[in-house]
Amino acid sequence: GAGVSQSPSNKVTEKGKDVELRCDPISGHTALYWYRQSLGQGLEFLIYFQGNSAPDKSGLPSDRFSAERTGGSVSTLTIQRTQQEDSAVYLCASSLWLENTEAFFGQGTRLTVV
Amino acid sequence: AQKVTQAQTEISVVEKEDVTLDCVYETRDTTYYLFWYKQPPSGELVFLIRRNSFDEQNEISGRYSWNFQKSTSSFNFTITASQVVDSAVYFCALITPLRAGNNRKLIWGLGTSLAVNP
Repeated sequence: GAGVSQSPSNKVTEKGKDVELRCDPISGHTALYWYRQSLGQGLEFLIYFQGNSAPDKSGLPSDRFSAERTGGSVSTLTIQRTQQEDSAVYLCASSLWLENTEAFFGQGTRLTVV
Repeated sequence: AQKVTQAQTEISVVEKEDVTLDCVYETRDTTYYLFWYKQPPSGELVFLIRRNSFDEQNEISGRYSWNFQKSTSSFNFTITASQVVDSAVYFCALITPLRAGNNRKLIWGLGTSLAVNP
């Protein structure tokens, strides 16, 4: 596609439910990143993929968070047993390579846990 | 350790004023890349510039200019004759090349919220 696409754009869920966030990167981009941005805060790195591989999972806040990427393309971020502190905007970005190319960001998924 | 510091949390200026957003970084690598991104109220992050560590030449793009100073590990961003549409959060970021133990992820500053008032 022309840009990074994220779905849904907004998600309201009840505490304790699982949610799945989707990211469709720019075609041909090998690197894909997930970030979280809480209200008024900076960007919190969650995880990145080089192809289908995620070498660095240290940013995931807890074992309730997981992510996968298949076919070097679409990625899903899953949050199990959601908590109110998971409420944030989840941003996905992709770049051609990891090293020095600019990352293009999607518009994010606003997750609200009630 | 790698770190990006944007000391200014919020800046408020009146339209047509010049404003400089500070970015100070830390890295032990000699090769690295620095970025500036803009996040307008709509939320989508927009790439502004990439600079590699071997190129200290300052860059100007319209009303935007960047001052890269390796001696002070700074990569400051200046908006000349600011406009209301410049109101956004601006992020500075750093990435270093792959080597053993390096996770090759963008290291972000916390952002500077710029409000340009009419």
